[in-house]
Amino acid sequence: NAGVTQTPKFQVLKTGQSMTLQCAQDMNHNSMYWYRQDPGMGLRLIYYSASEGTTDKGEVPNGYNVSRLNKREFSLRLESAAPSQTSVYFCAEWGAWGWNTGELFFGEGSRLTVL
Amino acid sequence: EDQVTQSPEALRLQEGESSSLNCSYTVSGLRGLFWYRQDPGKGPEFLFTLYSAGEEKEKERLKATLTKKESFLHITAPKPEDSATYLCAVQVNSGNTPLVFGKGTRLSVIA
Repeated sequence: NAGVTQTPKFQVLKTGQSMTLQCAQDMNHNSMYWYRQDPGMGLRLIYYSASEGTTDKGEVPNGYNVSRLNKREFSLRLESAAPSQTSVYFCAEWGAWGWNTGELFFGEGSRLTVL
Repeated sequence: EDQVTQSPEALRLQEGESSSLNCSYTVSGLRGLFWYRQDPGKGPEFLFTLYSAGEEKEKERLKATLTKKESFLHITAPKPEDSATYLCAVQVNSGNTPLVFGKGTRLSVIA
């Protein structure tokens, strides 16, 4: 997971506070993703960015915004945190091996608790 | 709607006791089926991608197979270090379309 760096690794917020999760990749790949992982729910896609300058909603986008600042960085913002957003957040990037093949590389995760 | 279902939710094995994990999927236009391993407190790590029915891939004690409706992850003579959550995911359409994940199987191998 060395190619995807997430900060912070842990964060505790109060309801209504805002914060931004940062993600940076050093492998010069185009596509980046934000997932959340909750017990019993698996990994669910929040937002993704197929290339610099584009973003698209995933399965669970409500309450979040994203910014693809440049090719390397993709941030996730919670404008007004709610307890339902307590989760582990993973940033990922798509690394292509060749035409139409590749794999998803994940960061180590950011563990967010909203009180 | 694309769906991925993994079973069982949890599996407890004795060291050396071989078994299989199942991933069934309902998607339109499967491009690839992925297996990941996730250790506690870590991000998922890539294991395999399978692209067509009948394909098989192996890595150490793990072998993944694919049919038109499901994939199996076979674990032969597991060791305690194989304990982890195993995630299955599908990709449809093009090469960088977001993966859709199942809920995972939590495997415990007891010495």
